[in-house]
Amino acid sequence: KNEVEQSPQNLTAQEGEFITINCSYSVGISALHWLQQHPGGGIVSLFMLSSGKKKHGRLIATINIQEKHSSLHITASHPRDSAVYICAVGLKTSYDKVIFGPGTSLSVIP
Amino acid sequence: DGGITQSPKYLFRKEGQNVTLSCEQNLNHDAMYWYRQDPGQGLRLIYYSQIVNDFQKGDIAEGYSVSREKKESFPLTVTSAQKNPTAFYLCASSTLAGVLVTQYFGPGTRLTVL
Repeated sequence: KNEVEQSPQNLTAQEGEFITINCSYSVGISALHWLQQHPGGGIVSLFMLSSGKKKHGRLIATINIQEKHSSLHITASHPRDSAVYICAVGLKTSYDKVIFGPGTSLSVIP
Repeated sequence: DGGITQSPKYLFRKEGQNVTLSCEQNLNHDAMYWYRQDPGQGLRLIYYSQIVNDFQKGDIAEGYSVSREKKESFPLTVTSAQKNPTAFYLCASSTLAGVLVTQYFGPGTRLTVL
């Protein structure tokens, strides 16, 4: 079993839909990161959170430490949101160990 | 503009040849990283460096080597000892090493071994 899992693996949505991507992990963490990988391969950091909820524009990230689960929500989705979304966790027991999830590929259709 | 550059974007190599991937950053970051990405898998850490002239192995360092002679540069050499080198390679940097900092990624280099 992978230490970081994401669901769904692939997601197709119509423009304007509300989207949720889930991340679950089985290790103790200090922080969780959400990243966005564009079709060309470049990666951008979206959020780093260790508790509660963060919002940036149409993106919302939440984390439940007790349940070891995080969600990334996209409101009013747009074709430019099409990308791979990656969840990554920083381990509590290691100063510099980050484990990356396999990613969720999102395609938003006009 | 500050950022991380990787070159080349696409690289082809014959089996048995060593090849060096470039990574340069002008963000004045102390820490730099090299990751490998394979289809359907999460990024895996190859090497990282917390400071000039120092680097540590990541999870999959075998068949790779690095140097950190300058703060701005962290080149990765894929040696002929790497059994399955075809992959997408990403370089990243952060102000310092650790799990509570944001890493900034380069555009990546796609290596294909022919």
